[in-house]
Amino acid sequence: IAGITQAPTSQILAAGRRMTLRCTQDMRHNAMYWYRQDLGLGLRLIHYSNTAGTTGKGEVPDGYSVSRANTDDFPLTLASAVPSQTSVYFCASSEKGTETDTQYFGPGTRLTVL
Amino acid sequence: GQNIDQPTEMTATEGAIVQINCTYQTSGFNGLFWYQQHAGEAPTFLSYNVLDGLEEKGRFSSFLSRSKGYSYLLLKELQMKDSASYLCAVTDSNYQLIWGAGTKLIIKP
Repeated sequence: IAGITQAPTSQILAAGRRMTLRCTQDMRHNAMYWYRQDLGLGLRLIHYSNTAGTTGKGEVPDGYSVSRANTDDFPLTLASAVPSQTSVYFCASSEKGTETDTQYFGPGTRLTVL
Repeated sequence: GQNIDQPTEMTATEGAIVQINCTYQTSGFNGLFWYQQHAGEAPTFLSYNVLDGLEEKGRFSSFLSRSKGYSYLLLKELQMKDSASYLCAVTDSNYQLIWGAGTKLIIKP
């Protein structure tokens, strides 16, 4: 069982380019999340999905979009990348999306926008 | 506003005990998590507290006082592999996790 996979592992991107970060889980978890992690700051929630077909905005959603067409996949798209989006991006999932749920994290994508 | 405070960095000696504190001010409270994150890796779950008191799990214990907005993670018999960042996170009234910036723990031989 792989758990959560993310692709690519790392990417250098020119400003203004469009980029999709992929996330797939094989645990049949209902809820999925996208976070960014920046030095000196806590993980910040970008978008989340409590179940397939639904999505919601987190703390820092501007410049990002998501979709949840099925249970397993939760891609994150940067429509027009900017240098401030340079970060490490983590995808996570949890079984039910409730307050007691443990979140399981993917290995992360290190994105640099020049 | 919502705020979670942890020390930025701590140093301890192999075999010793260390306590990592976390204080929080959030809109509502539905539980507190501790995660471990080794450098360059993903966070992994350590513990969850929703009631006051101490939860013990092997060498790691986590304490919660809801009235004080305070938690700590206690690590005993420190090993070199415990060198990592320790993240405190609180579930707020909207059931979203609010994360602290993490405490980097350095273990010295």
